[in-house]
Amino acid sequence: DAGVTQSPTHLIKTRGQHVTLRCSPISGHKSVSWYQQVLGQGPQFIFQYYEKEERGRGNFPDRFSARQFPNYSSELNVNALLLGDSALYLCASSQGAGQPQHFGDGTRLSIL
Amino acid sequence: QKEVEQDPGPLSVPEGAIVSLNCTYSNSAFQYFMWYRQYSRKGPELLMYTYSSGNKEDGRFTAQVDKSSKYISLFIRDSQPSDSATYLCAMSQAGTALIFGKGTTLSVSS
Repeated sequence: DAGVTQSPTHLIKTRGQHVTLRCSPISGHKSVSWYQQVLGQGPQFIFQYYEKEERGRGNFPDRFSARQFPNYSSELNVNALLLGDSALYLCASSQGAGQPQHFGDGTRLSIL
Repeated sequence: QKEVEQDPGPLSVPEGAIVSLNCTYSNSAFQYFMWYRQYSRKGPELLMYTYSSGNKEDGRFTAQVDKSSKYISLFIRDSQPSDSATYLCAMSQAGTALIFGKGTTLSVSS
């Protein structure tokens, strides 16, 4: 079975632009979560979706938004990009509450 | 105090050594405890998943959870150069976000 797939793998943007990152969960997984990982740190939680509804939001500004589609894939949108948004953005999927989360290889976002 | 504390290392050991990695935490509501391995330029890979206290073994890996001390450990027996990676501990309440440690960088030399 395919694992969590994310696209694109690498993206370069300039300050002020917006970006859309995409995630396809493992088949049968209904929950998708997004994390931000900066160099030398563990991943930080951004959003969690289950059955297309937002179930959790981390301490990130409103410039960050996300949604989940009927096929359980998900998008993360970031507006008005700042230099500090440069990071590895990870998507994780799970079958639901109390089930382990499996990660994709992430999208590496660089802001110039 | 951060919710999850993990010594970032780096930790260097010779091939065949037993490796001990650990994390402490402050939130007594955590129920699920995980260890992930992350290679450079890759996403975290789930190694061990434990509910509540106790031990769990999978091949060369053993995970221990001591909720009374708010302390979790991962032991790697007969370490191999391919084990060289960053090891992340993570924990959560039921169905909620994962809270990660900073990760420990491990290097196993042949």
